[in-house]
Amino acid sequence: KAGVTQTPRYLIKTRGQQVTLSCSPISGHRSVSWYQQTPGQGLQFLFEYFSETQRNKGNFPGRFSGRQFSNSRSEMNVSTLELGDSALYLCASRSAGGALSGELFFGEGSRLTVL
Amino acid sequence: ELKVEQNPLFLSMQEGKNYTIYCNYSTTSDRLYWYRQDPGKSLESLFVLLSNGAVKQEGRLMASLDTKARLSTLHITAAVHDLSATYFCALRGDYKLSFGAGTTVTVRA
Repeated sequence: KAGVTQTPRYLIKTRGQQVTLSCSPISGHRSVSWYQQTPGQGLQFLFEYFSETQRNKGNFPGRFSGRQFSNSRSEMNVSTLELGDSALYLCASRSAGGALSGELFFGEGSRLTVL
Repeated sequence: ELKVEQNPLFLSMQEGKNYTIYCNYSTTSDRLYWYRQDPGKSLESLFVLLSNGAVKQEGRLMASLDTKARLSTLHITAAVHDLSATYFCALRGDYKLSFGAGTTVTVRA
């Protein structure tokens, strides 16, 4: 069974640009969430989506946005990049039932560097 | 807002000895997670604890949950080098995980 797939794995952008990150959840998982990891702030919640609906959003500026498609794939977008947006962006998918109900599985992450 | 506090933040272990990582949290939650992260890698799920008194074990790692004390512990038995990593606890609430700061574990000979 394929795991959570995130693309791209690494990217370098300059200040002011925008970036789109993609996440394909485990087959059958309808919940996708995003987290930002930085050395200074640790792991911080960005968004959670279930069946194309955003159920919660973290305390990030409006430059951070996301969406989920009907096939459960999700994208997040960061506009007008700042140096502080350099981070590892992690996507997780969650099963809704069965023996592994509620367990979150994380992708390998997209490492963004803003110059 | 749910706050999660881990300690210690850094733990230098000697091979063969036993150690414990503590995770305290501020409000009730329906599940607690433990994750492992190797440098430059993603988060690997170790345990999901659902109820008071839950205990799970995998190899040299054992996690327990005391919901009344709002405390979870991750016990490491007879540490080996392969256990060097950063360990996070996290609690689920309001459709998100709130993570502790992580405990960076180094196992020395």
